[in-house]
Amino acid sequence: AQTVTQSQPEMSVQEAETVTLSCTYDTSENNYYLFWYKQPPSRQMILVIRQEAYKQQNATENRFSVNFQKAAKSFSLKISDSQLGDTAMYFCAFMKNGQKVTFGTGTKLQVIP
Amino acid sequence: NAGVTQTPKFQVLKTGQSMTLQCAQDMNHNSMYWYRQDPGMGLRLIYYSASEGTTDKGEVPNGYNVSRLNKREFSLRLESAAPSQTSVYFCASGDNSYNSPLHFGNGTRLTVT
Repeated sequence: AQTVTQSQPEMSVQEAETVTLSCTYDTSENNYYLFWYKQPPSRQMILVIRQEAYKQQNATENRFSVNFQKAAKSFSLKISDSQLGDTAMYFCAFMKNGQKVTFGTGTKLQVIP
Repeated sequence: NAGVTQTPKFQVLKTGQSMTLQCAQDMNHNSMYWYRQDPGMGLRLIYYSASEGTTDKGEVPNGYNVSRLNKREFSLRLESAAPSQTSVYFCASGDNSYNSPLHFGNGTRLTVT
């Protein structure tokens, strides 16, 4: 079974600074997808960014980017120019075969004004 | 454009009572999921349905049953609620393509006293 580990239960960052959230996973699969989801206090789950394992290029979505290290099974999320609206729980997720999705335990990010 | 609709949003049960959480999606997705979210535990998969007529147990299925009524609807039933089932429950749907992220409902906060 796949496991996803987020080793930082809580983090904080000053507004406008950069923060990196870590995620590691364990799998024997070669083709899979990785996601970062954001859950603000409203409880809604929002997709932040996705990465295909067969692509070497790191995904980027505006202020959000990933550092995908396939050999190390690492998938970290970098948030640049942090904004107050980035305050949320962030979940890393692993998907294989387009089916079952496994989530990490989450990192609670607080952006400090 | 409703996406994934979950009902109810909140529910309080007494130990031993039963209830059904309803979920419907209008995106023609094949796969549907039920997760529970507990502090420090992330999202844990309860049951999964890859397609209409099929269901599979996830990580924490004990105490729950599911029904994939049709392609749109996937319900979760608690036959005899226990305090350990106090949690936030999320329904999600996705198609079976590798690059498809999950779409989530807004969650149900269930308290069992």
